Amino acid sequence: DSGVTQTPKHLITATGQRVTLRCSPRSGDLSVYWYQQSLDQGLQFLIQYYNGEERAKGNILERFSAQQFPDLHSELNLSSLELGDSALYFCASSPHQGSGELFFGEGSRLTVL
Amino acid sequence: AQSVTQLGSHVSVSEGALVLLRCNYSSSVPPYLFWYVQYPNQGLQLLLKYTTGATLVKGINGFEAEFKKSETSFHLTKPSAHMSDAAEYFCAVGPTGTASKLTFGTGTRLQVTL
Repeated sequence: DSGVTQTPKHLITATGQRVTLRCSPRSGDLSVYWYQQSLDQGLQFLIQYYNGEERAKGNILERFSAQQFPDLHSELNLSSLELGDSALYFCASSPHQGSGELFFGEGSRLTVL
Repeated sequence: AQSVTQLGSHVSVSEGALVLLRCNYSSSVPPYLFWYVQYPNQGLQLLLKYTTGATLVKGINGFEAEFKKSETSFHLTKPSAHMSDAAEYFCAVGPTGTASKLTFGTGTRLQVTL
């Protein structure tokens, strides 16, 4: 158990819909990262937050947005969903900025039909 | 920009045999290098990391990796494979500055046979 909690574990929805994925980092970790894992793209970095502020942005679509709240939990919002958004979405947290040591949750598997 | 290339998407070894998973990196700055492992239906778990200092890094479960700057490589090895080592292994490079994001390779699936 990494200490990172993601909900929901599985989600099935239709094209055009909007979903929210939630992540609770390990206790005390200020950094939260979101990654997308798919068969064709592999593990793609989406976005990083540190203590509520956006720190780095990767290959995140404009239809996607994220935020980190004062209690440090984070949410990833995916809207106008397309079939190609079906993937495993991982949240990870890190105790130190710049350490590169990430603790991953078990992921949220999104299926868009 | 940083990138990693993992040679071989699938590697199969016999139980007790040497495990060698290859990773080459590209980085314009001195890299931090990592190996992560993903077991079925689980998130990624850190196996080992190289930041500075000793180029031979030991990790969990008997794995080790050697940073070779001249070859831009960071191959992962284990002297004797165990059935429980079957998983997907990811090499990663990063972070840069205060942005701690890692760039992952495409992964190598390790199969261990009897």
